[in-house]
Amino acid sequence: DAKTTQPPSMDCAEGRAANLPCNHSTISGNEYVYWYRQIHSQGPQYIIHGLKNNETNEMASLIITEDRKSSTLILPHATLRDTAVYYCIVRVAISNSGYALNFGKGTSLLVTP
Amino acid sequence: SAVISQKPSRDICQRGTSLTIQCQVDSQVTMMFWYRQQPGQSLTLIATANQGSEATYESGFVIDKFPISRPNLTFSTLTVSNLSPEDSSIYLCSVADSMNTEAFFGQGTRLTVV
Repeated sequence: DAKTTQPPSMDCAEGRAANLPCNHSTISGNEYVYWYRQIHSQGPQYIIHGLKNNETNEMASLIITEDRKSSTLILPHATLRDTAVYYCIVRVAISNSGYALNFGKGTSLLVTP
Repeated sequence: SAVISQKPSRDICQRGTSLTIQCQVDSQVTMMFWYRQQPGQSLTLIATANQGSEATYESGFVIDKFPISRPNLTFSTLTVSNLSPEDSSIYLCSVADSMNTEAFFGQGTRLTVV
């Protein structure tokens, strides 16, 4: 299974961009990179995912390097409500019709006033 | 996105008893998963709940301890049997519609075993 490596914690000032890095050097060609976040005492929330192209939605942008060995999640204007643990996950197929999300330890992002 | 309802949201149980957690989805979904999150830890996949067949368990998790039912495409239960304090965790249900869609999570069930 492809593993991910993330810094354990990061700080970001409110209103600034938060750039969360993730290494996934053993990723296979057909494995997607997913990002979730977990705000304290809540279930994980889906943010974004991608295969090899950069992706953007209303929450964030995902930049994947050309060799796919690393990616960066960008929150363009961080707010205090973005304080959470952010998980970078490589989705692993477990059958022809199913997959699993193997959560690592994630990055604890603290957005400060 | 799917709306997932987990019941109970929390419970305190005596050791040696069992707790059954329910996961109800507002739409039919192909895949349902159960995760455990121990205090201060990340999520660990327990099993994939397969409709009409036995669940598929991850390494370290067995059916006798974590029996799972999935009678239809909108509902699943996870039972944590013969409870011990080490089972104190948050248990989360997750669903996905297909291989190409994101998974959504319930709010979790916080179990405390005393």
